[in-house]
Amino acid sequence: QKEVEQDPGPLSVPEGAIVSLNCTYSNSAFQYFMWYRQYSRKGPELLMYTYSSGNKEDGRFTAQVDKSSKYISLFIRDSQPSDSATYLCAPWGAMDSNYQLIWGAGTKLIIKP
Amino acid sequence: NAGVTQTPKFQVLKTGQSMTLQCAQDMNHEYMSWYRQDPGMGLRLIHYSVGAGITDQGEVPNGYNVSRSTTEDFPLRLLSAAPSQTSVYFCASSLAESSYTEQFFGPGTRLTVL
Repeated sequence: QKEVEQDPGPLSVPEGAIVSLNCTYSNSAFQYFMWYRQYSRKGPELLMYTYSSGNKEDGRFTAQVDKSSKYISLFIRDSQPSDSATYLCAPWGAMDSNYQLIWGAGTKLIIKP
Repeated sequence: NAGVTQTPKFQVLKTGQSMTLQCAQDMNHEYMSWYRQDPGMGLRLIHYSVGAGITDQGEVPNGYNVSRSTTEDFPLRLLSAAPSQTSVYFCASSLAESSYTEQFFGPGTRLTVL
């Protein structure tokens, strides 16, 4: 079982829709939960992060963590064609007596004009 | 402020050849790392450095060497290229040693080994 699982997509939605991107993880020691966005043929860039459980909002983006079910979500409101990218979730925490950042494989999102 | 730069952008090698992927950052970051990204897999850490003169292995270090003689530069050497090393390579840097702090990525190097 992978440490972090993401549906690879692609997820294709019309412009203006609400998008839900999700991750599951297996290690209960994870403390920080990052979302990175990666445009085609570019390096990833940090979109937002949360610490422990709860919600965090930044403009049209909301990150949500449910540690009891080991489930991470990213919601995008009023989606725009410029949101078309691959979204990588990356939990961070203790693994094998080390602190590590573990990357999901990413979900490809396509917003249709 | 160029951020993290990587050269070359593309490279084709034959099996057994060696080469060095260059990475430089101008943000005075102590922490630098190299990842490879393959289809259907998350980013995998190859090597990392917490400061000049200090390097350590990541998840997939075999076949790669690194050194860190300055804060700015962190080259990755492929000793004897193999087709399994065909991948996109990303260099990243961050302000602090802890990898939960924001990492800044370069544009990547697309490597094909024939």
